Amino acid sequence: GDSVTQMEGPVTLSEEAFLTINCTYTATGYPSLFWYVQYPGEGLQLLLKATKADDKGSNKGFEATYRKETTSFHLEKGSVQVSDSAVYFCALSDPGAGGFKTIFGAGTRLFVKA
Amino acid sequence: EAGVTQFPSHSVIEKGQTVTLRCDPISGHDNLYWYRRVMGKEIKFLLHFVKESKQDESGMPNNRFLAERTGGTYSTLKVQPAELEDSGVYFCASSQVETKGYTFGSGTRLTVV
Repeated sequence: GDSVTQMEGPVTLSEEAFLTINCTYTATGYPSLFWYVQYPGEGLQLLLKATKADDKGSNKGFEATYRKETTSFHLEKGSVQVSDSAVYFCALSDPGAGGFKTIFGAGTRLFVKA
Repeated sequence: EAGVTQFPSHSVIEKGQTVTLRCDPISGHDNLYWYRRVMGKEIKFLLHFVKESKQDESGMPNNRFLAERTGGTYSTLKVQPAELEDSGVYFCASSQVETKGYTFGSGTRLTVV
C-alpha cells in the first residue's frame, strides 16, 4: 500500500542554518504531496503542497519539489528561525488507490536554537 | 471563517469508561475526516465522511470506536469501553475538495489510565 517515510528527528539547528527534511513515498497512482506543520500547542496546518511531478510548493520560505523519478518531496528552507520550531509531517493523498484518505509520515521534530 | 473546532482539548479517563469526542468542521465542508496519532508515531487515518455518509471507515481499529455525523454537520467519535492503547491525539479535519489538503482542528489529547 501507499506509504510515506521521512527522516527521524529531532533535528536541532542554529538560527539562520539551512534546513532539509527528507521525505520519500510509495504510491500506486499519481498522488498529491503535502507538508503539514504542527507548532507547539496547536493543530496541524497545511504548509505547502504539490499536485504533479516537478511542481514546487512554497510557503513562508519553505520549499519542496515533487520528484517523481526519485519519489521524493524533501522540505527545505534557506535560513531557519526560532519560530520554525515545530513538528513537520510529510503526507500524500492518492485517489488512484481507491480512497481520499491522506497518508502521513511519522513526523520530524525541529528545534531551532537562538 | 471559523476553523475546525474540536472538544474537549484534553480528556483523561479510566480504562473501561466511555469518552465522546466532538468535531465541528468548517461550514460548508462536506468532507470530514478523523485521524489519530498514538505514542508519537505517524498520524493514522480512521475514517472519512462525505456529508452524513461514511465514505471510508477502513482505519477504525475495532468496534469499540463509533463515529457519527448526523445531519452532515458536526461529528462525534465515541470510544466505549476505552483501553490503555487508545491514548493519543485525535485529529479532525475537513475539506471541500478531497485532494487539495485539509484544515485540521487542534486535536483532542486522550489519556486512558
